Amino acid sequence: GAGVSQSPSNKVTEKGKDVELRCDPISGHTALYWYRQSLGQGLEFLIYFQGNSAPDKSGLPSDRFSAERTGGSVSTLTIQRTQQEDSAVYLCASSRPTGELFFGEGSRLTVL
Amino acid sequence: QKEVEQDPGPLSVPEGAIVSLNCTYSNSAFQYFMWYRQYSRKGPELLMYTYSSGNKEDGRFTAQVDKSSKYISLFIRDSQPSDSATYLCAMTLQGAQKLVFGQGTRLTINP
Repeated sequence: GAGVSQSPSNKVTEKGKDVELRCDPISGHTALYWYRQSLGQGLEFLIYFQGNSAPDKSGLPSDRFSAERTGGSVSTLTIQRTQQEDSAVYLCASSRPTGELFFGEGSRLTVL
Repeated sequence: QKEVEQDPGPLSVPEGAIVSLNCTYSNSAFQYFMWYRQYSRKGPELLMYTYSSGNKEDGRFTAQVDKSSKYISLFIRDSQPSDSATYLCAMTLQGAQKLVFGQGTRLTINP
């Protein structure tokens, strides 16, 4: 596709369940980012992948959060044992090594 | 204290007005400054990109960076209802890509 694709667009889950969010970046973009946006808040950095380098995980809020990027393309953000405070929009972005970030439309997670 | 401070608003102005949006920051090492526009239930899109201090103009939009004051601004001239969105400032260190965002200002332009 032409842009960053994220799925699911909406996810409602029960507290304690695990969720997986997927990001398909723009073809040829080597950098991929995950951000979290809570209601009325700015974007909170979670994790950054650049090529084959070790990811920058400095923004992950707890060990319940993890992310992987397979084959330098698709990325999956996994949240284990979800809590209500995990409810937010999870945004993925991709870019060339030094260039504009292009964002997807986000995955809206609601934890009941 | 947050690294980047931005008044969340909301800000409501009449069509045609000049809009001024601002951010302050604490890290003097920031070199690249951006403004993103985010429509409701959409991802942010890059609006303006500025390196170091100075002004940049693109159509009705002007971005200003004052590194000595750690202050950046976005001006919108002849504002239109289609400009109604949340505007997020963002900045990053030289050579790094991890953007630090402000909280975003929700702007409404009234016809």
